[in-house]
Amino acid sequence: NAGVMQNPRHLVRRRGQEARLRCSPMKGHSHVYWYRQLPEEGLKFMVYLQKENIIDESGMPKERFSAEFPKEGPSILRIQQVVRGDSAAYFCASSPQRANYGYTFGSGTRLTVV
Amino acid sequence: DAKTTQPPSMDCAEGRAANLPCNHSTISGNEYVYWYRQIHSQGPQYIIHGLKNNETNEMASLIITEDRKSSTLILPHATLRDTAVYYCIVKNFQTGANNLFFGTGTRLTVIP
Repeated sequence: NAGVMQNPRHLVRRRGQEARLRCSPMKGHSHVYWYRQLPEEGLKFMVYLQKENIIDESGMPKERFSAEFPKEGPSILRIQQVVRGDSAAYFCASSPQRANYGYTFGSGTRLTVV
Repeated sequence: DAKTTQPPSMDCAEGRAANLPCNHSTISGNEYVYWYRQIHSQGPQYIIHGLKNNETNEMASLIITEDRKSSTLILPHATLRDTAVYYCIVKNFQTGANNLFFGTGTRLTVIP
C-alpha cells in the first residue's frame, strides 16, 4: 500500500521558468493538502483540494501559484515565473474524507531556483 | 483552533524516556490533541492523537491532563532516530478548517 508519492524529489529551475510539482495521494484518499517549508522555517499551509475542487486556498500566494487535483491523475502544484524566494521544500499530504485521524505526508519536493 | 506552546528544544539521553510537554490552555471540548514529528528533510510523520483519555501506540504514549489544558508526549526509550522536531497541534476536524497549523515545535536531540 504505497504512501503519498511526490515527484520529483528535487527540482532545479532558473528564475522565470515554471515549476510543476506532482502528488499522488494514498489509495482511497480523496483530499490533498499542500504545504511549503522555507529553509529553517516551519511548515505553512498553502491549499486544500478535493477531486476537481479547491476547498481552501487561503495559504496560496496571490500570484504565480496554482493548484489542481483533476478527476484522473495526480494533484499538481504549479509555480509560474519562479523567483529565488520560491526555493523551499513543498510537501503534499492526503487524507480520507474528513481528516479525523490526521494526514499522511509525502517525502516532499525540494525546489531550488538558481 | 486552539494555540499551543512548546519548549523550543530538549535533549534526551539515548535509551531514556523523552517527555515532550505541550500547553494548550484554550482548548475547547471537541478539539483533539495531535502529535507529529519531522525528521530532518523528511515529510512530517503522524505519531498519535487523543481527546481526553491517555493513549498509547507502538510509537509513543500521550498523557492529557484532566483539565485538558496540557499534554505530554512520551517516547519510552528514545533512540538516535527519534531526533526530530515534534509538533503538538490542537484540532477539531469536524468543525474547523481541514488544514493543520504547524507551529515551531520542539527540537528533540537524542544524545548517545
